[in-house]
Amino acid sequence: EAQVTQNPRYLITVTGKKLTVTCSQNMNHEYMSWYRQDPGLGLRQIYYSMNVEVTDKGDVPEGYKVSRKEKRNFPLILESPSPNQTSLYFCASSLQGNEQFFGPGTRLTVL
Amino acid sequence: QKEVEQNSGPLSVPEGAIASLNCTYSDRGSQSFFWYRQYSGKSPELIMSIYSNGDKEDGRFTAQLNKASQYVSLLIRDSQPSDSATYLCAVTGTGNQFYFGTGTSLTVIP
Repeated sequence: EAQVTQNPRYLITVTGKKLTVTCSQNMNHEYMSWYRQDPGLGLRQIYYSMNVEVTDKGDVPEGYKVSRKEKRNFPLILESPSPNQTSLYFCASSLQGNEQFFGPGTRLTVL
Repeated sequence: QKEVEQNSGPLSVPEGAIASLNCTYSDRGSQSFFWYRQYSGKSPELIMSIYSNGDKEDGRFTAQLNKASQYVSLLIRDSQPSDSATYLCAVTGTGNQFYFGTGTSLTVIP
């Protein structure tokens, strides 16, 4: 089944404790992206990647890191999480930066 | 700052009616336009994509694009209660970056 998977789905952590949210797609898509969704602010793009070893900042990259060492994986790293990074995170992929397929989401709470 | 504006709603229509959802965008260089549907607690799901001026129809859905007016819309014909969701408009900027509106909440009343 063609899909985008994210892990974990739910995470509660404390300020400053490094964490990684994994994202994987099995559709051989070139483009992958991370978004955060907050009430009243909608979906905002954090980082995106057009291909392996190519990453670019989206609208809200501060406090986040990403890497694209393999085509199928695009992990999101929070080196020192803060409470304002409490949000619902979505990973998405598309063939060439057009129609995106979204993962199920990761709900992160930073205390 | 690129902007995508949508009426937040809520928009309520009776079952069987036409629901009309609107979106404006600020970047004249935007080339690709998308409508996503998001049920409460779920991830966004692609409904329509449109790349050139005019109408594009897919089943009960019609997307309309007017680049001169920087306007894209989604019409849902014969609305069903299962269409009740939040509809997100998305556009691409330069460099393949995506910008989403905050969404319009639609309720279809049986």
